[in-house]
Amino acid sequence: AQSVTQLGSHVSVSEGALVLLRCNYSSSVPPYLFWYVQYPNQGLQLLLKYTTGATLVKGINGFEAEFKKSETSFHLTKPSAHMSDAAEYFCAVSDQSADGLTFGKGTHLIIQP
Amino acid sequence: EAQVTQNPRYLITVTGKKLTVTCSQNMNHEYMSWYRQDPGLGLRQIYYSMNVEVTDKGDVPEGYKVSRKEKRNFPLILESPSPNQTSLYFCASSLALGAYNEQFFGPGTRLTVL
Repeated sequence: AQSVTQLGSHVSVSEGALVLLRCNYSSSVPPYLFWYVQYPNQGLQLLLKYTTGATLVKGINGFEAEFKKSETSFHLTKPSAHMSDAAEYFCAVSDQSADGLTFGKGTHLIIQP
Repeated sequence: EAQVTQNPRYLITVTGKKLTVTCSQNMNHEYMSWYRQDPGLGLRQIYYSMNVEVTDKGDVPEGYKVSRKEKRNFPLILESPSPNQTSLYFCASSLALGAYNEQFFGPGTRLTVL
């Protein structure tokens, strides 16, 4: 069975500061990893994904994430936060045999002016 | 425009009154699924479908039914809704089964059962 743990249900950063959202996973086989963003009153939108190859993955809106197998982590970062980044962020994991995604509980990102 | 649509977006109903939430995608995707989102619990899969006439239970299927008579549509049916089914529901689709394929999400349906 696979699982995802997102550390911190709420994360607050100042505008212009580094954004770091943490995600750890467990999977019995090499995982596929995803970050989704949910803006208020909207559905989920894919930010980025890791399947194979380069462990540093770049996504939309300046976000990136690094797959670290030894740490079973897939943390999401952005060098400089913008007010428009305020949203709920979900990390998700799947494997090659899974029938769907397993989501973390989500992290609400708050941007302070 | 490629999209997943859900209707209604908001619904308030009473316990026991049957309801259907529709989901439709225009991307010719084979795989469709339903999730519910609850505070502190993230998204949990209710049912999924790998193709027409093929449906399977997800993690929290109790109290729900689905059907897949056409490739584009995947309605979620609550035969006898209860207050614990008050939630935000998302339909999603992807090209095929498999983790490699990105899932596209609908805008969500907020259901309140009184």
